Amino acid sequence: LAKTTQPISMDSYEGQEVNITCSHNNIATNDYITWYQQFPSQGPRFIIQGYKTKVTNEVASLFIPADRKSSTLSLPRVSLSDTAVYYCLVVPPGGSQGNLIFGKGTKLSVKP
Amino acid sequence: GAVVSQHPSRVICKSGTSVKIECRSLDFQATTMFWYRQFPKQSLMLMATSNEGSKATYEQGVEKDKFLINHASLTLSTLTVTSAHPEDSSFYICSAKHRDRGYHEQYFGPGTRLTVT
Repeated sequence: LAKTTQPISMDSYEGQEVNITCSHNNIATNDYITWYQQFPSQGPRFIIQGYKTKVTNEVASLFIPADRKSSTLSLPRVSLSDTAVYYCLVVPPGGSQGNLIFGKGTKLSVKP
Repeated sequence: GAVVSQHPSRVICKSGTSVKIECRSLDFQATTMFWYRQFPKQSLMLMATSNEGSKATYEQGVEKDKFLINHASLTLSTLTVTSAHPEDSSFYICSAKHRDRGYHEQYFGPGTRLTVT
């Protein structure tokens, strides 16, 4: 499974746009890029997933360049409630066991 | 939709006793469920993968006789920590793969905080 590298922590202020970049140099051709959010003492929550280019949903946007060796999670206008740990994962497609291997994640702290 | 529950949310037990944790998919069928363990300020570590009706597959270093997993139906998996010791104190989280969706979108339970005294 492709290993991911992301910043350990980031600080932001309310109302700002936050971009968290993840490196996955060894991503396989069919792998998806998936992001999860985890609040303290809670299970992770699926945020967004993509394969290439740009994906947007009601929570975030995911930018994936053509070589797919990195991806950027973009959170528009963050609020205090967005303070959490964000995990970037590279996941094989359906048909495999699909084990999710979590790295250390990025701890985002949003300040007033 | 796609809600996963865990019970109990918090449990305290004495050393040497066994504890059972339930993981349920409330509004979907889960062909595969996963069990994770998370120590304070650390990431989630996959313990085992269970498929309905078959034996669980354990990750390297996880004792299958200590962490018993049963996936009796498409909506229920249980993790039993046998002869618990203080070092087993951790946050246990399950996730479930929706039968009709890809593995890259799993649904996690709220976690169970186990404290062994």
